[in-house]
Amino acid sequence: SAVISQKPSRDICQRGTSLTIQCQVDSQVTMMFWYRQQPGQSLTLIATANQGSEATYESGFVIDKFPISRPNLTFSTLTVSNMSPEDSSIYLCSVLTGLNGYTFGSGTRLTVV
Amino acid sequence: AQSVTQLDSQVPVFEEAPVELRCNYSSSVSVYLFWYVQYPNQGLQLLLKYLSGSTLVESINGFEAEFNKSQTSFHLRKPSVHISDTAEYFCAVSRLNRDDKIIFGKGTRLHILP
Repeated sequence: SAVISQKPSRDICQRGTSLTIQCQVDSQVTMMFWYRQQPGQSLTLIATANQGSEATYESGFVIDKFPISRPNLTFSTLTVSNMSPEDSSIYLCSVLTGLNGYTFGSGTRLTVV
Repeated sequence: AQSVTQLDSQVPVFEEAPVELRCNYSSSVSVYLFWYVQYPNQGLQLLLKYLSGSTLVESINGFEAEFNKSQTSFHLRKPSVHISDTAEYFCAVSRLNRDDKIIFGKGTRLHILP
């Protein structure tokens, strides 16, 4: 299965600022998925990123708040913009690796103060 | 659209006792089913999956899950739990198409009592 390198692993940010999270995959994949896991909650899909086109956002998430880049088949970034304490969560990227299912990055633990 | 229901948010169980974590799903099409585990302060790991074939699937650490199409369930079981099984367990479904996402249940926290 694929190996994902996600960084940063954690960060503490001031409200009003932005943080960009990176995911690098060791193989080419069509789709990358970005999830949020709020404290004590399950994973919620933010958006699906396809190389060469705009990301598809789930209900409740917008591009201005969570812009995504997908410049090639092995890399993607998610930016959390104009952060507030409510954005404090773990953010994870994921890829579909054929019939092996989904592989997840190790996550970015974000705290907004 | 698919959805997943994990009926229990927390399950306390004594060490060496059996446990069952319940998962029901809803889908108008065939789906693949997964259990993921998240140990404290760690990332998400695949525990086991059902894609096709035998409806009983097993993990390397003693967990098993049985796909029951008529009851739309995929309950996770272990005959004897260990303190190291303390974690959050997530049931999930996907169509596993090339552009399809995975949908998670709300999770069940397994709390092992000494």
